[in-house]
Amino acid sequence: DIQMTQSPSSLSASVGDRVTITCRASQDIRNDLGWYQQKPGKAPKRLIYVASNLQSGVPSRFSGSGSGTDFTLTISSLQPEDFATYYCLQDSSYPFTFGGGTKVEVK
Amino acid sequence: EVQLVESGGGLVQPGGSLRLSCAASGFTFSNHYMDWVRQAPGKGLEWVGRTRDKASNYTTQYAASVKGRFTISRDDSKNSLFLQMNSLKTEDTAVYYCARRPVGPPGRYGQFDCWGQGTLVTVSS
Repeated sequence: DIQMTQSPSSLSASVGDRVTITCRASQDIRNDLGWYQQKPGKAPKRLIYVASNLQSGVPSRFSGSGSGTDFTLTISSLQPEDFATYYCLQDSSYPFTFGGGTKVEVK
Repeated sequence: EVQLVESGGGLVQPGGSLRLSCAASGFTFSNHYMDWVRQAPGKGLEWVGRTRDKASNYTTQYAASVKGRFTISRDDSKNSLFLQMNSLKTEDTAVYYCARRPVGPPGRYGQFDCWGQGTLVTVSS
């Protein structure tokens, strides 16, 4: 199985900060990676697909980059509604696997 | 409006069975591969399994942790997805989400663009 190592597991940030979350795959997954946001008690919501494509309706302050084994989700200017937990997902091969999550908290 | 609504969760004893349903609306359900993803309380997301569409003979894939105990099926005439869970263990306690894969090559469109609200399954004596 492909292991997805996500870091950091949590971070504290302020509104307006630039935030970067990384995901490392245990083997080459090309660009078969998505990013999801989850708020407490809610279902995950897709932000980015195929590493760098912005989901329709998602603000442009979210961006994704990377290929192969190293990927990044960047929030260019953190907004109050962005405090949440973020997960990466590899869909290069079965079983699909998620990263452990990054909780973005108020500083 | 695209919508997925899960139902069927509840409390079940270890070794018992439960059948979850996911009702789809607002899109052509039969065209989509459909998946189940679960989340144990306070934990991260875990992919459970998938059913493909009729064109792919409704073939399925499962995570090792549920293979042989869980069965995913669908009824395209009723726009419904199912998860039959047998031989349940305490570690199966989780919120179960159904999720849709966009139509088209995954290398272009990725996975899980739409999710249900989830249904809680608690396995406990």
